[in-house]
Amino acid sequence: EDQVTQSPEALRLQEGESSSLNCSYTVSGLRGLFWYRQDPGKGPEFLFTLYSAGEEKEKERLKATLTKKESFLHITAPKPEDSATYLCAVQVSRGSQGNLIFGKGTKLSVKP
Amino acid sequence: DGGITQSPKYLFRKEGQNVTLSCEQNLNHDAMYWYRQDPGQGLRLIYYSQIVNDFQKGDIAEGYSVSREKKESFPLTVTSAQKNPTAFYLCASTVALMTPYSNQPQHFGDGTRLSIL
Repeated sequence: EDQVTQSPEALRLQEGESSSLNCSYTVSGLRGLFWYRQDPGKGPEFLFTLYSAGEEKEKERLKATLTKKESFLHITAPKPEDSATYLCAVQVSRGSQGNLIFGKGTKLSVKP
Repeated sequence: DGGITQSPKYLFRKEGQNVTLSCEQNLNHDAMYWYRQDPGQGLRLIYYSQIVNDFQKGDIAEGYSVSREKKESFPLTVTSAQKNPTAFYLCASTVALMTPYSNQPQHFGDGTRLSIL
């Protein structure tokens, strides 16, 4: 069964304290892995797509990486405005539906 | 600006009542989706549509219905058969699945929070 697991469930950081969020997956053929940011009461906001192992994407203080079994979202010198829930989703190549399988998310809190 | 508009932001349902959640997009996307989000759970797919006048059940379709009469619109009806409707409902869209661009990201609206009176 295709599965996506995110860890930790919650992460508290001090402003400037770098860390990483993990998304591990077991799927039968990866078409793409997506990272989203979700603020309370809002819909997920697209951050990155990763397609193949070894690929990296960056945006401001965020950097996403991908291996054959997991993806990391590295946050460098975070600020309080980076506080949000970060969602990981995978799209599998099985069949033609291409629907996304979501993890439960990591809730990040950055204290000043 | 292009985007996805969901309305209303908050909705209350009485016992035995059907309610309809609106989703409109002006991104010219072919595929549209409805998800349900509960605390501590990942997004779960209710229904999706790849083209006008066609839609498929997702993982948790029981108690829900949809229509796709226009490319821009994909309303979701929560029927009285859905016994636990309290949740945050999210609509999303993306370019057509059956194209070389079928691994493009889904873009989301800002959700409708449904509660029971």
